[in-house]
Amino acid sequence: NAGVMQNPRHLVRRRGQEARLRCSPMKGHSHVYWYRQLPEEGLKFMVYLQKENIIDESGMPKERFSAEFPKEGPSILRIQQVVRGDSAAYFCASSPQTDSNQPQHFGDGTRLSIL
Amino acid sequence: GNSVTQMEGPVTLSEEAFLTINCTYTATGYPSLFWYVQYPGEGLQLLLKATKADDKGSNKGFEATYRKETTSFHLEKGSVQVSDSAVYFCALSEYNQGGKLIFGQGTELSVKP
Repeated sequence: NAGVMQNPRHLVRRRGQEARLRCSPMKGHSHVYWYRQLPEEGLKFMVYLQKENIIDESGMPKERFSAEFPKEGPSILRIQQVVRGDSAAYFCASSPQTDSNQPQHFGDGTRLSIL
Repeated sequence: GNSVTQMEGPVTLSEEAFLTINCTYTATGYPSLFWYVQYPGEGLQLLLKATKADDKGSNKGFEATYRKETTSFHLEKGSVQVSDSAVYFCALSEYNQGGKLIFGQGTELSVKP
């Protein structure tokens, strides 16, 4: 499967725990985007990364959320001290270059549930 | 700031009916416009796109025309099938904003046999 791979597909955490969501972009893609989909809502942009760099994090909550895309390995979205309001589907998308004409390819998402 | 507004759902149609899902946008520059489709439990798949005014995107019988004068990108299909049941998202992307997508709230389509 050469598509965008996200894991886990489902993640359950208790309040106060940490959640780590992983995303492997399509082969040859060096641009990764994270989006959050709250229940009954559309997707909201969170962060845009290239290898080892955060390019735009204007959609990230100021506290508890962080993202990285290391030189080797998948991109990680990390949520510390999770709260009920973090329950959502988190989608990763990748593209081969920064070009608004270039469509992004999405993974199947990680559905995060906070108990 | 940039934004996308879609008609609210759910939209329920009978098989072979005509579909229109309205989408309007607000942008500071000249965005590219997209329609994505999301089937239950899955991620988003690109349905079609248009990159400049008067372009028509089309795929799988769906089409949408980039109308700069009305800032619209309405999705249409002449004859829907049960398999078209899904959530449809309109989105825009501007070159000077790193390619990030701004989405509408989504419109759920349910097609009955």
